Amino acid sequence: GQQLNQSPQSMFIQEGEDVSMNCTSSSIFNTWLWYKQDPGEGPVLLIALYKAGELTSNGRLTAQFGITRKDGFLNISASIPSDVGIYFCAGQLVGGSNYKLTFGKGTLLTVNP
Amino acid sequence: ETGVTQTPRHLVMGMTNKKSLKCEQHLGHNAMYWYKQSAKKPLELMFVYNFKEQTENNSVPSRFSPECPNSSHLFLHLHTLQPEDSALYLCASSQDERTPQYFGPGTRLTVT
Repeated sequence: GQQLNQSPQSMFIQEGEDVSMNCTSSSIFNTWLWYKQDPGEGPVLLIALYKAGELTSNGRLTAQFGITRKDGFLNISASIPSDVGIYFCAGQLVGGSNYKLTFGKGTLLTVNP
Repeated sequence: ETGVTQTPRHLVMGMTNKKSLKCEQHLGHNAMYWYKQSAKKPLELMFVYNFKEQTENNSVPSRFSPECPNSSHLFLHLHTLQPEDSALYLCASSQDERTPQYFGPGTRLTVT
């Protein structure tokens, strides 16, 4: 089945630093998503990407869907304490009867004030 | 964010109990999902409903029984669970099966 390899598993950074995380896969996806999960809560959708090579920004977040549709990255600029949480990449196949989302294992981000 | 709500938020149950988890979405979506999130594992899809019809059962044991009476409500009925079923159970919804999914806050289930 499809797998997403997400790295790094965890990051410890100082407030104000930039952050970069990425996911790779051997499978091709139609849609690429990034979610953030706070402790005790469900994942919140941050960014959705639909085109190969698409680059999108949402405030301090920038994400790109790889040109091969097999990978993607998420950058966070000028991190703040509320950026703490687990970030998940997710890929979705759209076609046939398979619409399942495949999730990475997550990157745990800790921001020291 | 109140688009997808789940109750209860926390549940402790014995292995012989019967309980139900409830999910409600206020987004006008047509597809709803149950996921299981265990420590150090990727999110596991359990069930998918599209327009109230079950379209996916990801080899889930029969002690988990979903019910979708309408496009806005989704239940997960639990009976004779095992301790390894302890996890965060997440509900999600999407406009249809092709569009991004929005998650509820989850129910933290502990089976004793």
